[in-house]
Amino acid sequence: SYELTQPPSVSVSPGQTASITCSGDKLGDKYVCWYQQKPGQSPLTVMYQDSKRPSGIPERFSGSNSGNTATLTISGTQAMDEADYYCQAWDSNTAIFGGGTKLTVL
Amino acid sequence: EVQLVESGGGLVQPGGSLRLSCSASGFTFSTYAIHWVRQAPGKGLEYVSAISSNAGSTYYADSVKGRFTISRDNSKSTLYLQMSSLRAEDTAVYYCVKGRSSVFDAFDIWGQGTLVTVSS
Repeated sequence: SYELTQPPSVSVSPGQTASITCSGDKLGDKYVCWYQQKPGQSPLTVMYQDSKRPSGIPERFSGSNSGNTATLTISGTQAMDEADYYCQAWDSNTAIFGGGTKLTVL
Repeated sequence: EVQLVESGGGLVQPGGSLRLSCSASGFTFSTYAIHWVRQAPGKGLEYVSAISSNAGSTYYADSVKGRFTISRDNSKSTLYLQMSSLRAEDTAVYYCVKGRSSVFDAFDIWGQGTLVTVSS
């Protein structure tokens, strides 16, 4: 079955750039979405179709997808961006999620 | 404002059944695919099931196939998940999620979730 692999954790200093990766076989051939989840809250869609931001998502969030790796980049990271981030793609009529990455802003 | 409100969660014994509901508002329910995604305590997100806008197509994760049934009533803007033969590993918060358009498009708006606990 298809798998998406994310690093368990990423740390970044406030104001710096955070990059969260998501790896899968020929992932660049699929659309990737990213979801942000803060403690005790429902997930929030922050990126879809690799690099499109839903309405209301700050411009500091950007995305890319090529080869076997998709990347969510947060420029000028703020304390409010601290959360779990999940990547997701569709394979064989099933939504596949990565294991999630805990972003720590310190 | 687009809203999805889940209900029907609770404590159920192993082998038991439960029906979840998701009431939608703020958008034309009948034109969007809707999904169920779950999250076990302290764990990541897991896809459960999806249904197309006209209920003509349904999809299930292997872990729930044959035990769960997704359905919708477009006249009531409501999504359902009938769960049977429940197991301890089905314990999770179940989220109702609006798709951006078709089934295989991105997840768009998430509900607040309803907790299902399977335990004796």
